[in-house]
Amino acid sequence: AQTVTQSQPEMSVQEAETVTLSCTYDTSESNYYLFWYKQPPSRQMILVIRQEAYKQQNATENRFSVNFQKAAKSFSLKISDSQLGDTAMYFCAFMKHGNAGGTSYGKLTFGQGTILTVHP
Amino acid sequence: DTAVSQTPKYLVTQMGNDKSIKCEQNLGHDTMYWYKQDSKKFLKIMFSYNNKELIINETVPNRFSPKSPDKAHLNLHINSLELGDSAVYFCASSQYYTPRITKNIQYFGAGTRLSVL
Repeated sequence: AQTVTQSQPEMSVQEAETVTLSCTYDTSESNYYLFWYKQPPSRQMILVIRQEAYKQQNATENRFSVNFQKAAKSFSLKISDSQLGDTAMYFCAFMKHGNAGGTSYGKLTFGQGTILTVHP
Repeated sequence: DTAVSQTPKYLVTQMGNDKSIKCEQNLGHDTMYWYKQDSKKFLKIMFSYNNKELIINETVPNRFSPKSPDKAHLNLHINSLELGDSAVYFCASSQYYTPRITKNIQYFGAGTRLSVL
């Protein structure tokens, strides 16, 4: 079974600064996807960024980028130029690759979440 | 237009009652999911359906029964509600269910907060 660990229950950052959220995972799979989702106070789950394990290049989406270290099973999220609207709970999540098939395909395993507060 | 919509957004009920939460997606997706987020914000999958067929069925009490009348809808029915069922329930959908998919992103509804008194 896969596990996802986010060791930082809470983080805070000043507006316009950079912050990094940590995530580690444990799996015996070689092919998988990793995601960061954001849950603002509105409760809506919003996809922030996605990484395929077979790609060495780190994913980036505007101000959001990841540092994916496959050997270390680490997948951190860097938010640059933080904005007040980035205040939310952030979840790291793991999914087996489609080729794994079976009844667990599509199952997202989430970490415990990190509450990020951006201060003006 | 809301892509994945859940109703109701809030549900307050007494122990022992039976209730349903409805989910609809207008994204043309084949696969739908139910997740439970507990009071500590931990999210865990409960079920998934692909084209009305049950695919994932985690260890969930059989008081919970998902029903998929068509691939755009996945409803969650809960019998004999207990205090421990209080949580936020999220519906999600994704485009494909195939081993060769390389783009599988799940889109979530806004959640239904269930409070059992």
